[in-house]
Amino acid sequence: NAGVTQTPKFRVLKTGQSMTLLCAQDMNHEYMYWYRQDPGMGLRLIHYSVGEGTTAKGEVPDGYNVSRLKKQNFLLGLESAAPSQTSVYFCATSQVAPLHFGNGTRLTVT
Amino acid sequence: DAKTTQPPSMDCAEGRAANLPCNHSTISGNEYVYWYRQIHSQGPQYIIHGLKNNETNEMASLIITEDRKSSTLILPHATLRDTAVYYCIVRANSGGSNYKLTFGKGTLLTVNP
Repeated sequence: NAGVTQTPKFRVLKTGQSMTLLCAQDMNHEYMYWYRQDPGMGLRLIHYSVGEGTTAKGEVPDGYNVSRLKKQNFLLGLESAAPSQTSVYFCATSQVAPLHFGNGTRLTVT
Repeated sequence: DAKTTQPPSMDCAEGRAANLPCNHSTISGNEYVYWYRQIHSQGPQYIIHGLKNNETNEMASLIITEDRKSSTLILPHATLRDTAVYYCIVRANSGGSNYKLTFGKGTLLTVNP
């Protein structure tokens, strides 16, 4: 998935810890998205951004915050991690269509 | 966005055509049909999309019925590397502020040797 880079690739957190997931893109796309994927649930939209300096809530925004200070970066923050946030997180970008995805961040909260 | 219905799983023999169906009976006139796939442990990958005409690219063909209530993704010569979850999504290209897509559970296609 050239063009969308997610860091870190793996992370283990303890309950109550905080962390930030970074999504970086080099395609100059306006729109960026954060999804989470859980077994049997498909992909669910957490937050998205329609341009630099903008963010909006998706389907499952609770417990997450986001920022888009630069066009090429979209950050997803967990202020106080909970075991229910154990998941695989995918970032995606688009200009018109289609979506371009990163390869995910696998997060475990113990 | 219109809801889609896909079978949870399908099998296909290597080298044969894989035909993946999708029902979208509530599709609106301005909504496109998108197909993505997700190979294990990777991010979803765009395959193809269409409005009402059949479409073909280097990966697959998309056949949309005349009433647009269903479609079929065709992988003409499936290989083991095509084993993946395939998602059918219906979404309007509104030209507006966002292109967020709602992913369901998709179809797990298993290509067997």
